[in-house]
Amino acid sequence: DTGVSQDPRHKITKRGQNVTFRCDPISEHNRLYWYRQTLGQGPEFLTYFQNEAQLEKSRLLSDRFSAERPKGSFSTLEIQRTEQGDSAMYLCASSAPGGRGRETQYFGPGTRLLVL
Amino acid sequence: SQQGEEDPQALSIQEGENATMNCSYKTSINNLQWYRQNSGRGLVHLILIRSNEREKHSGRLRVTLDTSKKSSSLLITASRAADTASYFCATVTSGSRLTFGEGTQLTVNP
Repeated sequence: DTGVSQDPRHKITKRGQNVTFRCDPISEHNRLYWYRQTLGQGPEFLTYFQNEAQLEKSRLLSDRFSAERPKGSFSTLEIQRTEQGDSAMYLCASSAPGGRGRETQYFGPGTRLLVL
Repeated sequence: SQQGEEDPQALSIQEGENATMNCSYKTSINNLQWYRQNSGRGLVHLILIRSNEREKHSGRLRVTLDTSKKSSSLLITASRAADTASYFCATVTSGSRLTFGEGTQLTVNP
């Protein structure tokens, strides 16, 4: 257990529904990252926050995806109008502030999404 | 997009043997990291090597980096059944994003 938690761990939804995932990072970590991992592949970067500011977004993050970190603590990732291609593991990670501490990212257990 | 390619895609060895996995990447990097992922779980950070380093050790792990060849290797010595997992290399080029390879599935048979 790295100290990063994600909820829910599993989500099954029907195509067209909206889903929201939550990530709670390690408490003193100011950076928070979202990645997506499909079966048999490595994780792919989606977006990251420093405190409450969203500093970078991948082009994988279509307009159906939105991420927030309103108070610089937990983060939510929402997918609107889900498609079968959204089925994947969604991973959250956090890193400590400043210098070399931020180089290591600590990952949560992931939320596995299945869109029927 | 995937930055790295890992080789082999799958590796099966006996307990006690050494396991070597390789990673190649395409662009200049700040650092390269190795992560382990047990089936269906999150990733665990193993070791980080910076672009100005050539070799690092951590317990039974040894990582090398050759920036001229844009490649890295991870050696696990005296493997155990508990080492069975997927191993990923990830590079950092700028900013903070990790760019992962496709991973090597290691199976250590008791």
